[in-house]
Amino acid sequence: GEEVAQTPKHLVRGEGQKAKLYCAPIKGHSYVFWYQQVLKNEFKFLISFQNENVFDETGMPKERFSAKCLPNSPCSLEIQATKLEDSAVYFCASSQGSSITRQFFGPGTRLTVL
Amino acid sequence: DQQVKQNSPSLSVQEGRISILNCDYTNSMFDYFLWYKKYPAEGPTFLISISSIKDKNEDGRFTVFLNKSAKHLSLHIVPSQPGDSAVYFCAASAKGNQFYFGTGTSLTVIP
Repeated sequence: GEEVAQTPKHLVRGEGQKAKLYCAPIKGHSYVFWYQQVLKNEFKFLISFQNENVFDETGMPKERFSAKCLPNSPCSLEIQATKLEDSAVYFCASSQGSSITRQFFGPGTRLTVL
Repeated sequence: DQQVKQNSPSLSVQEGRISILNCDYTNSMFDYFLWYKKYPAEGPTFLISISSIKDKNEDGRFTVFLNKSAKHLSLHIVPSQPGDSAVYFCAASAKGNQFYFGTGTSLTVIP
């Protein structure tokens, strides 16, 4: 597609439940990025993929968070056993080519953990 | 430790005047900088970028200035229009690696 698509738009989970977010990058873009924005603060980088391979995961919390980008499927970000502090808007972005320059962002998924 | 800082959370400007949004960074390895604009309930959209080999880049009403010695960049919007009202984020990257974003500045252009 011509836009980065993220689903769902909103997700509500009870503490301890699993949350799974999806991202379909722009067709032809080989890089996918996940960011977390808590309370309208800065975008915290989580992880990036080059096609289905992890490119940079230095921002990923070591526990509970995992992500995948499989061929012919939307990319996913999964949080096991959610905590209150996971409440945030999760943005996905994609970019093309081998040089990470301009990123195109999706509208975000708002995760609320109760 | 925040590597990109936008110290002004908000800015109000009269329509037609110049808006100046500022951004400071701490990592001298950053070599590529971008500005994004974000409306509520939407993802950020790319506005303008600058490489560290330049000190100025202009695109229509938008100009970004880079002062490497001061580790400072600014976005100038002139003339400002009500449709420019949004949150503006600066972001920086070192050698094509992950981008670090600032906390954003909310710009309000008053008609």
